[in-house]
Amino acid sequence: DVKVTQSSRYLVKRTGEKVFLECVQDMDHENMFWYRQDPGLGLRLIYFSYDVKMKEKGDIPEGYSVSREKKERFSLILESASTNQTSMYLCASSSNRIYEQYFGPGTRLTVT
Amino acid sequence: GNSVTQMEGPVTLSEEAFLTINCTYTATGYPSLFWYVQYPGEGLQLLLKATKADDKGSNKGFEATYRKETTSFHLEKGSVQVSDSAVYFCALVKTSYDKVIFGPGTSLSVIP
Repeated sequence: DVKVTQSSRYLVKRTGEKVFLECVQDMDHENMFWYRQDPGLGLRLIYFSYDVKMKEKGDIPEGYSVSREKKERFSLILESASTNQTSMYLCASSSNRIYEQYFGPGTRLTVT
Repeated sequence: GNSVTQMEGPVTLSEEAFLTINCTYTATGYPSLFWYVQYPGEGLQLLLKATKADDKGSNKGFEATYRKETTSFHLEKGSVQVSDSAVYFCALVKTSYDKVIFGPGTSLSVIP
């Protein structure tokens, strides 16, 4: 059974903290993605990576960075968390068919 | 730019009712169209797809037909079940290597 796992389901952090969200996939996929999901806005792409050590900005990269040191792992970093980054964060992976994405269960991050 | 519009939710139906969730898109050329589903507490899953005009995608009793003339891809099911309660996302992609554009999602609740 193919799987994308995310390190936490729920996370509460304080304003200004550095936050790491981890994502691991076991499908040997080249592409990995980070989205945030907000009510009424759907999914918005933050960053994606099409290979190890490669990254591309999505639609809303401000305030975020990413790291992909190994093919199976893609990390999202909030350098200094702010309350407007309170959201559901979804990680996904895909093979060369980008549209067929496999999603993790999400991390609900609350920044207070 | 490319975009996807979906009907506002939430939608509440009784079991065995007919379901339609409307989706229209804006894109140049001939995008591929998709429906993803997100069950409670889970990540998104690809439900069905259509890659060219007049194609019909189908899966798990759900259907959607790619209508180029009306730029629509409405999701239908003849008889919904309680287990169909989820959030449904319409999406498009221009080419196999482009990012996926998701709509805002439509929440469906099916009551016994």
